[in-house]
Amino acid sequence: AQSVSQHNHHVILSEAASLELGCNYSYGGTVNLFWYVQYPGQHLQLLLKYFSGDPLVKGIKGFEAEFIKSKFSFNLRKPSVQWSDTAEYFCAVRRYRTGRRALTFGSGTRLQVQP
Amino acid sequence: ETGVTQTPRHLVMGMTNKKSLKCEQHLGHNAMYWYKQSAKKPLELMFVYSLEERVENNSVPSRFSPECPNSSHLFLHLHTLQPEDSALYLCASSQEGAGSYEQYFGPGTRLTVT
Repeated sequence: AQSVSQHNHHVILSEAASLELGCNYSYGGTVNLFWYVQYPGQHLQLLLKYFSGDPLVKGIKGFEAEFIKSKFSFNLRKPSVQWSDTAEYFCAVRRYRTGRRALTFGSGTRLQVQP
Repeated sequence: ETGVTQTPRHLVMGMTNKKSLKCEQHLGHNAMYWYKQSAKKPLELMFVYSLEERVENNSVPSRFSPECPNSSHLFLHLHTLQPEDSALYLCASSQEGAGSYEQYFGPGTRLTVT
């Protein structure tokens, strides 16, 4: 079965620190990759996505992620976090060209940014 | 707002009650989903509807019964639930075949089973 692993469950950073959240998946075929964010009390929203092309994708609010196919990874990065980035971050994977339409999510990483 | 609304936002029910969760999407999408979000666990897919036909059922107990009367509405009917069913239930929609498959999520219904 396909799984998505997020290595860090809880990350605490100070403002202006750099951020990298790990995501690995187990499926060997072609995949679509997503990062979603859930701010406190709000709904899940898409940060960025990878479908094809340049493996370095840029999303909203200064986030970016790099797809490394050989490592089955799609890590999320931000050079300088802000207090407003405090949220829970979810990596998700969709198998390409299969009957399975839904996403498989990781367990999430809670990011706490201290002012 | 994402264009996906869910009602109610909070629900407390006893184990013998029957209730329904409602989801409506205003995005013209053709696929809708139910997910369950429990504390410290990954989002779990429950059901997928594509063009109003259930195309995936992820081994969900029969006490959860989905209904998709049209492409804009999705219901989750609940009966004789257990306390471990307490969770945040999320609805999502997407446009299949458009190449994006990005899912848009509603705010969720926080369900507490007593």
